[in-house]
This record gives sequence, structure tokens and C-alpha cells, in this order.
Amino acid sequence: DIQMTQSPSSLSASVGDRVTITCRASQSISSYLNWYQQKPGKAPKLLISIAYTLLSGVPSRFSGSGSGTDFTLTISSLQPEDFATYYCQQSYSTPTTFGGGTKVEIK
Amino acid sequence: EVQLLESGGGLVQPGGSLRLSCAASGFSFSSYAMSWVRQAPGKGLEWVSIMSGSGGSTYYADSVKGRFTISRDNSKNTLYLQMNNLRAEDTALYYCAKVSGCSGANCYRHHGMDVWGQGTTVTVSS
Repeated sequence: DIQMTQSPSSLSASVGDRVTITCRASQSISSYLNWYQQKPGKAPKLLISIAYTLLSGVPSRFSGSGSGTDFTLTISSLQPEDFATYYCQQSYSTPTTFGGGTKVEIK
Repeated sequence: EVQLLESGGGLVQPGGSLRLSCAASGFSFSSYAMSWVRQAPGKGLEWVSIMSGSGGSTYYADSVKGRFTISRDNSKNTLYLQMNNLRAEDTALYYCAKVSGCSGANCYRHHGMDVWGQGTTVTVSS
């Protein structure tokens, strides 16, 4: 199985900050990397598919990059509604696997 | 509106069984692979199983293989997860999710899960 390693596991940031979360796959997954946002008590929400494709309705302050084994989720200017936990997921091969999550907290 | 609604969770003793259901609406259910993903209390996301749109292809996580069975009734727009021989470590919130961008009929590779239900809680305890 492909292992997904996210870092950091948590971070504290202020509104307006630029935030970067990284995800590393244990082997090449081409661009089959997805990012989810999960708020407390809610289901995950797909933000970015295939490394960089923003889902409809997702604010443009979110962006994704990378290919192969190293990927990045960037929030260009953190907003109050962005405080949540973010997960990466590889969908290159079954079983699909998720990273451990990054909790973004208010500084 | 695209919607998924899970049901069937509850409290069950170790070794017991449950069947989860996921009712879909607002999209052409039979055209999409569907998946189950679970989240243990305070933990991250764990993929459980996937079934192709036709129902002809299924995959399972090693942790549930041989105990869980995924199925679907496309005439009823409903996905199921039959869970047998339940263990304490199966305690979790179970989500069903619509899978997008499948490669091939078996959906071995895809573009993520773009619609999720609200989840149904399964607690395995004596």
C-alpha cells in the first residue's frame, strides 16, 4: 500500500497568513493526489482533485501543486472559515490512502 | 441537489453484525462508483471499500476483508455495507461517498470523492 505522510500535523496561524501543508507519497502517484477539508462534526469536503484542480465553489485562495511524490496545499490568505483539518489522499492505486491530517488552528 | 444519506448504524456487541445503507439522490447513481470511508473517534480517515457503478468490481481494505461486504441496488439508488464479525476497532463514523473520475470499469484509480454523506455511527462494545 502507498503511505501518505502529511506535515505538519498541526499548525497555528493568524487570519491573513499564508499557510502551506505538504504531503509525501511513499512512491510515485503521478498527479493522483486530492485534498479534503474537514470541520468539526462535518463530513470531509473535496477541495482539490488531481493535485491542482480546484472543485467548483472552492475559493481561489486554495491551490495545490506537485507531482510524483511531493505535493503542497497552499492557502494564500487564511480566512476564519478555513480553520479545519486538512487531509491528503492518493487515488493512484487501490487501496486509496489518506494522510494523517493537518489541523489548522487559530493563533 | 446531490445528496447521500446514511443509516443503519448503532451499538452492537463484538462478533455481531450490522448493515449500513446509503440512499443517493440528485445524480445518476448507477454511473458512479461508490465508496465507504470510516473515521474512528478523534482519528483520521480510513478507506473501507469501493464498488464500481455496475457493481461488477469491488475492493476492500485489508482490515475488513472477509468480514464486510459492499453491495448496491441501482434500482433503489442505494449503497450497502454488510458488516459481520464486528470488532471494537470497527467503532467509527461511517461515511459513504461518491467517487469521481474513475479510470476503467473497475475504478482502480480515480479523482477523489466529491460527495459525502453525513455519516452513521457504529459502536462495537459489550
